[in-house]
Amino acid sequence: QTVVTQEPSISVSPGGTATLTCGLSSDSVSTSYYPSWYQQTPGRAPRTLIYNTNTRSSGVPDRFYGSILGNTAALTITGAQADDESDYFCMLHLGDGVMVFGGGTKLTVL
Amino acid sequence: EVQLVESGGGLVQPGGSLRLSCAASGFTFTDYWMHWVRQPPGTGLEWVSRIDSAGTTTRLADSVKGRFTISRDNAKNTLYLQINHLRAEDTAVYYCVRASWGNYHFDYWGHGTLLTVSS
Repeated sequence: QTVVTQEPSISVSPGGTATLTCGLSSDSVSTSYYPSWYQQTPGRAPRTLIYNTNTRSSGVPDRFYGSILGNTAALTITGAQADDESDYFCMLHLGDGVMVFGGGTKLTVL
Repeated sequence: EVQLVESGGGLVQPGGSLRLSCAASGFTFTDYWMHWVRQPPGTGLEWVSRIDSAGTTTRLADSVKGRFTISRDNAKNTLYLQINHLRAEDTAVYYCVRASWGNYHFDYWGHGTLLTVSS
């Protein structure tokens, strides 16, 4: 059973920087897992933010940055804004089109 | 414009069956692998299943093996999810999702259809 771990919640001040991480219970996250990140606001479908570790989807501002930090994937949000307040989910590709999501991080901007 | 429109959700009794559908438009359906992702109320996303572009290979999450079947009709540009022996824990919003080229991430999501399993 592959378990992907994310911080349940993170708070950031307006204008500040937040780093969300995505880890694996049994391995280090590397680019080989093609980590991607999705943003979801209540009542809406998820929106793709980052894919292939650090590629921004069309229309995503460069305040959102994906990387590998140590043995985790990371999503860094700089210059946090009120409308960044959302749930963020990472997803890893396990092979043959099989995916696994992390439990999600609720980002609060206050 | 890429559109994925799910339908078929609703209130179903435990033990019942139903089929969810996803009508795709705005792209060449036969070029893309497709997935289902679900989200129980108030919780996170769970990957459910995927099917290749031709409909010849499928994969299922361990949690749904034996009860769920993914399929597609490329002539109708439609993706399906057949769910049998429904359980309360199947209650969720079910999203139809398009995989990107390379099939390593998702690029388009439908708005979802809510399935409630309750007596």
